[in-house]
Amino acid sequence: SQTIHQWPATLVQPVGSPLSLECTVEGTSNPNLYWYRQAAGRGLQLLFYSVGIGQISSEVPQNLSASRPQDRQFILSSKKLLLSDSGFYLCAWSDGRGPDTQYFGPGTRLTVL
Amino acid sequence: TQLLEQSPQFLSIQEGENLTVYCNSSSVFSSLQWYRQEPGEGPVLLVTVVTGGEVKKLKRLTFQFGDARKDSSLHITAAQPGDTGLYLCAVDYGNNRLAFGKGNQVVVIP
Repeated sequence: SQTIHQWPATLVQPVGSPLSLECTVEGTSNPNLYWYRQAAGRGLQLLFYSVGIGQISSEVPQNLSASRPQDRQFILSSKKLLLSDSGFYLCAWSDGRGPDTQYFGPGTRLTVL
Repeated sequence: TQLLEQSPQFLSIQEGENLTVYCNSSSVFSSLQWYRQEPGEGPVLLVTVVTGGEVKKLKRLTFQFGDARKDSSLHITAAQPGDTGLYLCAVDYGNNRLAFGKGNQVVVIP
């Protein structure tokens, strides 16, 4: 069976510090991978998605970047965090066949102070 | 602009009562999904509806896709505390990307 991992589970970082969140998927190959942010009262906002190694599409301009160095690894980064980067970050995967079901990881709660 | 509007945003009911929440849009979709999210966890898919007018049941949860495929409803019969959670509707807006509504926060009081 497939599983998806995210770490860390929680993170408190000062403004201006760098960020690296990691997501890995097991039990599947060549998945579509997604990064979402969930802020209070705003639902899930798609940040990045990837259909293959090195292929990253950005949905919104922001202070963040994503990379996919391996087939089942997806990384969310920032060089300098802003207060507005606080939120609940969720990674998800799908097999790319429609209607598309996405399977979410446990999330990372990021607080920027 | 929000593609999907969910209402009500928050609903608190007593155990045993029935409730209905809604997901609306002005756009037509080929399918629509409902997810449930519990605090501190990722959303989990409940159901996908694909045909206008389709009704799907998942135990005490009944999902309906509007005839025009622009809206959907979720009805819970005899709600239980375990039904508490954030219910999110979502649609594929191309290239296997999902757009989510802001959610219906449901609280069932024992």
